[in-house]
Amino acid sequence: NAGVTQTPKFQVLKTGQSMTLQCAQDMNHEYMSWYRQDPGMGLRLIHYSVGAGITDQGEVPNGYNVSRSTTEDFPLRLLSAAPSQTSVYFCATGGGNEDTQYFGPGTRLTVL
Amino acid sequence: SQQGEEDPQALSIQEGENATMNCSYKTSINNLQWYRQNSGRGLVHLILIRSNEREKHSGRLRVTLDTSKKSSSLLITASRAADTASYFCATDEEGAQKLVFGQGTRLTINP
Repeated sequence: NAGVTQTPKFQVLKTGQSMTLQCAQDMNHEYMSWYRQDPGMGLRLIHYSVGAGITDQGEVPNGYNVSRSTTEDFPLRLLSAAPSQTSVYFCATGGGNEDTQYFGPGTRLTVL
Repeated sequence: SQQGEEDPQALSIQEGENATMNCSYKTSINNLQWYRQNSGRGLVHLILIRSNEREKHSGRLRVTLDTSKKSSSLLITASRAADTASYFCATDEEGAQKLVFGQGTRLTINP
């Protein structure tokens, strides 16, 4: 049982490049979400999904796209990277009878 | 915007002492959760308390919730060096798992 996995662990981009951060879970959870964490800050919700085919915006969605074609995967796409998107990105899942969330190990992204 | 404000921002105590962290929030909530983050790692869920609960225990952890004051506290008793981490409160307004996090308390346990 891998839980929640994220790839890559580290990434450096140039301004204007695009990329996809991957998130996969084997917990059969319906709910998945993406957060970003800036230095000295708590996490802020970017996008979330309550099930396959359903996504919605969180607090800071601008510059990011998501899709949910399967229960297991929830990729986060940066359309045109900007230095302000330098951050650590966490994917989380939740579901069943629990209200708690399970977090992946994070992707540290630097945009130059 | 951050829902939770945590106090203190940093706390340093001796091993064996108790550590108390506080969290205040702004809106009505369905539940409040506490998470731990070790340096450079993901978050680990510690405990959840629902809006109709006042106190909850889990091992060395004790959480209280005062909805009239919109505040919560996390007490870690008999602290250990391994408790060194950042601790975050997160509120869930709708029970929809859309968590809003505070800025966290950095806890350092000195041996």
